Amino acid sequence: EAQVTQNPRYLITVTGKKLTVTCSQNMNHEYMSWYRQDPGLGLRQIYYSMNVEVTDKGDVPEGYKVSRKEKRNFPLILESPSPNQTSLYFCASSLLGQGNYGYTFGSGTRLTVV
Amino acid sequence: GDSVTQMEGPVTLSEEACLTINCTYTATGYPSLFWYVQYPGEGLQLLLKATKADDKGSNKGFEATYRKETTSFHLEKGSVQVSDSAVYFCALHTGFQKLVFGTGTRLLVSP
Repeated sequence: EAQVTQNPRYLITVTGKKLTVTCSQNMNHEYMSWYRQDPGLGLRQIYYSMNVEVTDKGDVPEGYKVSRKEKRNFPLILESPSPNQTSLYFCASSLLGQGNYGYTFGSGTRLTVV
Repeated sequence: GDSVTQMEGPVTLSEEACLTINCTYTATGYPSLFWYVQYPGEGLQLLLKATKADDKGSNKGFEATYRKETTSFHLEKGSVQVSDSAVYFCALHTGFQKLVFGTGTRLLVSP
C-alpha cells in the first residue's frame, strides 16, 4: 500500500531534550515536506526537500532541522525543543512537479513539550 | 504572498442539510486548488481538486468549482451525513512546490 509513515504518533517530552520524528514513504517520491498544524493557523510548512541532499526552509523553520540522506526518509529533528513547538506535525510527499495533483500525508505526530 | 481564506467554524448542521464552506484565494500565476479533509484523530486526505479555471472537482458527493473571476473554490454537498463530521481545509499549490492552507473549518453534523 502506498503510504507515508510517521513515528511516533504521540510524544511527550521535556524542554531541551533532543528528539527526532521519522517520516518514510514507499512511493519513490522526490518531494517531501514537513508541516505543523496549530488551531486557528491551519498548516504551515516547516521544511521541504526536492530530492536527496536537497533541503530548504519553509515558512516556520526556526528550531527545526531536517536531513535527506535517502530518498524514502525525511526525519524532523528538534535539537532543543521548547513548549511553543507543541503541535501536530505532518509529513507529506509527492512526485516532483506533480504537486498540483495533490500530496500524500502521513497520519501525524502529536508532540507535547513540557 | 499566496494565501487562502476560508470561513471560520464550526459549521453545525443536521443530517441531510445542504453544506457550503466558502474558500477564496490570492495567488500569482495559476494555482491548483484542493480540499483536504481531516477526520478525528487522523491525517489529511485529499477530498477533491481542480487544476484550472472552470474545472469542477468532485468526490463522495462533495463538489467545488474553480472560479478564477471570483478567486473562489467553495465546497458544497447537497445532503450531509453524520460521517461527514470533520475538519475541512482549502489549499492551493503554487509553482514553488508548496501547499498553502487555509485555517480549516470544522463541520459538525448531528442526527
